[in-house]
Amino acid sequence: GDSVTQMEGPVTLSEEAFLTINCTYTATGYPSLFWYVQYPGEGLQLLLKATKADDKGSNKGFEATYRKETTSFHLEKGSVQVSDSAVYFCALLYSGAGSYQLTFGKGTKLSVIP
Amino acid sequence: GAVVSQHPSWVICKSGTSVKIECRSLDFQATTMFWYRQFPKQSLMLMATSNEGSKATYEQGVEKDKFLINHASLTLSTLTVTSAHPEDSSFYICSASVRTRQETQYFGPGTRLLVL
Repeated sequence: GDSVTQMEGPVTLSEEAFLTINCTYTATGYPSLFWYVQYPGEGLQLLLKATKADDKGSNKGFEATYRKETTSFHLEKGSVQVSDSAVYFCALLYSGAGSYQLTFGKGTKLSVIP
Repeated sequence: GAVVSQHPSWVICKSGTSVKIECRSLDFQATTMFWYRQFPKQSLMLMATSNEGSKATYEQGVEKDKFLINHASLTLSTLTVTSAHPEDSSFYICSASVRTRQETQYFGPGTRLLVL
């Protein structure tokens, strides 16, 4: 079945450091790919998405490119801030027969220190 | 816009009792709602999908008699954990989508259940 593997955390970075969180997937067909973020005490929020190969999703300085050849969707940010501290989830969406289901990775906790 | 709430946010109950968790879409009509369970340091596991006015579709391995899901209106779905046991302790998260944008799910803040 479909699955998502993302790097294990926690990840601790200093402010203004470069961030990469790796995500690879296994899926039949051509899923859409997502990054969700969960801030402390809040629900998951969609951070960015890409729906086809070579698409780049971007939001709030974060970017991820849908790489079909490597089945990856790594999350990057050039300069992290303390406010980026959260748990990040990579996910894929399979849509078929009228149903839309998300499959999540385990999440990566990011802590940014001043 | 697209806010989903859950109530309660925390619940502690005795083993053998039943607990009801509500999921509401506050500013939109949710044609589909999803219930997830999240264990510590684990990913969200889909438990069931429910469409308004119809029976929920449960994922393999999820006991439908234990986790009762009702989606009675376009803004409310409930998950009832019946005869709860300590192994049911977990973080339960709901999400909702609309018919015209089914690829986007809006998530609630989650409900922490502790069964003693």
